[in-house]
Amino acid sequence: AQSVTQLGSHVSVSEGALVLLRCNYSSSVPPYLFWYVQYPNQGLQLLLKYTSAATLVKGINGFEAEFKKSETSFHLTKPSAHMSDAAEYFCAVRTPASGSARQLTFGSGTQLTVLP
Amino acid sequence: DVKVTQSSRYLVKRTGEKVFLECVQDMDHENMFWYRQDPGLGLRLIYFSYDVKMKEKGDIPEGYSVSREKKERFSLILESASTNQTSMYLCASTPPEGRRNQPQHFGDGTRLSIL
Repeated sequence: AQSVTQLGSHVSVSEGALVLLRCNYSSSVPPYLFWYVQYPNQGLQLLLKYTSAATLVKGINGFEAEFKKSETSFHLTKPSAHMSDAAEYFCAVRTPASGSARQLTFGSGTQLTVLP
Repeated sequence: DVKVTQSSRYLVKRTGEKVFLECVQDMDHENMFWYRQDPGLGLRLIYFSYDVKMKEKGDIPEGYSVSREKKERFSLILESASTNQTSMYLCASTPPEGRRNQPQHFGDGTRLSIL
């Protein structure tokens, strides 16, 4: 079985500060990992994905994430927060296992607030 | 660009009603999904479908059913709506299973209130 843990349901940063959103996963096989962003009253939009190529993945809007197998982590970072980054962020995992192969397992989400 | 369209953004229904939520995608995707989203719980999978007339239960199928008569359309049905089904419902789709690293594409969601 696969699972995802997002540490911190709410994170606040000042505009211009580093953004760090944490995600840890459990999976018995090498996973595919995704970060999604959800702006108010909208669906989820893909930020970036890890698919066993480079461990440092760059996404849209200046975000990036690093896959660390030894730590089973896939933390999302952005060097300098912008007011428009305020949203809810979801980490998701998918493993190439039979039966659940088509399913994503989502974390519970982290609400990012950017302070002026 | 992939487009996943959910028929209603906001919906208000009464307890005991039969409720239909519709989702259409325009990219000929085989796989379609229905999730509900609740604060602090993230997204939980209700049902998914990997082909026309095929469906599989997700993590929380109780009180729901689905219909996939055409490839582009996936309907979620609340047989007898209850107040604990008040939630945000999200539809998603993905390409064929051979491309497992493909992300899911989401609709904008339907916020359903059961009174």
